[in-house]
Amino acid sequence: GQNIDQPTEMTATEGAIVQINCTYQTSGFNGLFWYQQHAGEAPTFLSYNVLDGLEEKGRFSSFLSRSKGYSYLLLKELQMKDSASYLCAGGATNKLIFGTGTLLAVQP
Amino acid sequence: GAVVSQHPSRVICKSGTSVKIECRSLDFQATTMFWYRQFPKQSLMLMATSNEGSKATYEQGVEKDKFLINHASLTLSTLTVTSAHPEDSSFYICSARGQAGAYNEQFFGPGTRLTVL
Repeated sequence: GQNIDQPTEMTATEGAIVQINCTYQTSGFNGLFWYQQHAGEAPTFLSYNVLDGLEEKGRFSSFLSRSKGYSYLLLKELQMKDSASYLCAGGATNKLIFGTGTLLAVQP
Repeated sequence: GAVVSQHPSRVICKSGTSVKIECRSLDFQATTMFWYRQFPKQSLMLMATSNEGSKATYEQGVEKDKFLINHASLTLSTLTVTSAHPEDSSFYICSARGQAGAYNEQFFGPGTRLTVL
């Protein structure tokens, strides 16, 4: 089956670090994606992991453990504009299965 | 590069009418296009996958006779919501995948907000 879980909401302070977790069970897994989505807009690509380990890209890093079915997105030096939904998506066969999304609120 | 457009961005229609939404890949050839639906404060739910020149593959629970998908060319796919009802009101997002990006990633259109009165 296909199942991807994330926390529904998180709150963090401007300038801090926040980690958004994602656990998954997908058949035919071929990578894990993170997308950012502001309200009323389309998702934008943040990162992709297909092998275990940490991928760093500026203020954003993503980690994957395939054996544990676990990933996280790490956001550093939080800015107010980072307030958005963060979607974890598992690549399965020929499509993406999206998690429930985590709504992150960054407070001053 | 890798831009996907959708038209219209917003549409309001009366119950019982049909609405067509276009999805275009502007600067690459999309061998596969995907249609998603997103209700408020929920995640994206895949409705169907379409490959150019072949019939769309619908996800379980999605009525293929109600949501007609056509992928006639490598740059255009259309979704027609037939006999729309208020419960069809949602944010419809398409994505396209070709050879444009690394990892064969999907590129998303800006979405279409459908309101059925």
